[in-house]
Amino acid sequence: QVQLVESGGGVVQPGGSLRLSCAASGFSFSNYGMHWVRQAPGKGLEWVAFIEYDAITKHYADSVKGRFTISRDNSKNTLSLQMNSLRPEDTAVYYCAKDGHCTSNSCYPHHFDYWGQGALLTVSS
Amino acid sequence: QSALTQPASVSGSPGQSITISCTGTSSDVGGYNYVSWYQQHPGKAPKLMIYDVSHRPSGVSNRFSGSKSGSTASLTISGLQAEDEADYYCSSYTSSNTRVFGTGTKVTVL
Repeated sequence: QVQLVESGGGVVQPGGSLRLSCAASGFSFSNYGMHWVRQAPGKGLEWVAFIEYDAITKHYADSVKGRFTISRDNSKNTLSLQMNSLRPEDTAVYYCAKDGHCTSNSCYPHHFDYWGQGALLTVSS
Repeated sequence: QSALTQPASVSGSPGQSITISCTGTSSDVGGYNYVSWYQQHPGKAPKLMIYDVSHRPSGVSNRFSGSKSGSTASLTISGLQAEDEADYYCSSYTSSNTRVFGTGTKVTVL
């Protein structure tokens, strides 16, 4: 079964950095794009970043562009999010999510197929 | 990229049907059949309920259905049950190769 387990959350001061990781299992990680999605306390979901299966294509939300970097290691089935210049408004639960799914006949991208349990980042002095 | 617009809350009695709307633009909902819907119970991760406007993943009840007209997508829950009480979010692929979520709808079972 698909499992996504985030780690690396914690408390960071404004301007600081943190790296989140997501360990994937139960599917062919190297064949799928992956996302980071966040949710501020009591707020809605916000898409953060996407990385294609081959790690070449990456896209970011305007709110994190230039500060966050998404990456992956297909040899270790691991997704990462390097977060720099953190702001209080970055405080949220960060979820990793698998992009789409494939059947024996076709692939269906562009939705969040499975989600991790989330990792909490708090940016506060 | 602005969030897609959803009603803040929708309620219904057990057994009734409710519909949640999700309004975007021609650059997202209206431009692609890549609208998906997610259910989120308090303190839990979101769960995929509908993808590609109207397709249900295996294991999701057929009480959940999706549709789209122009730049507005809809999620209908028929035969409302107590366990359906949760927050629901729509999402769409966009012309910028990004993704956008809806503002979220709290469903209350009366």
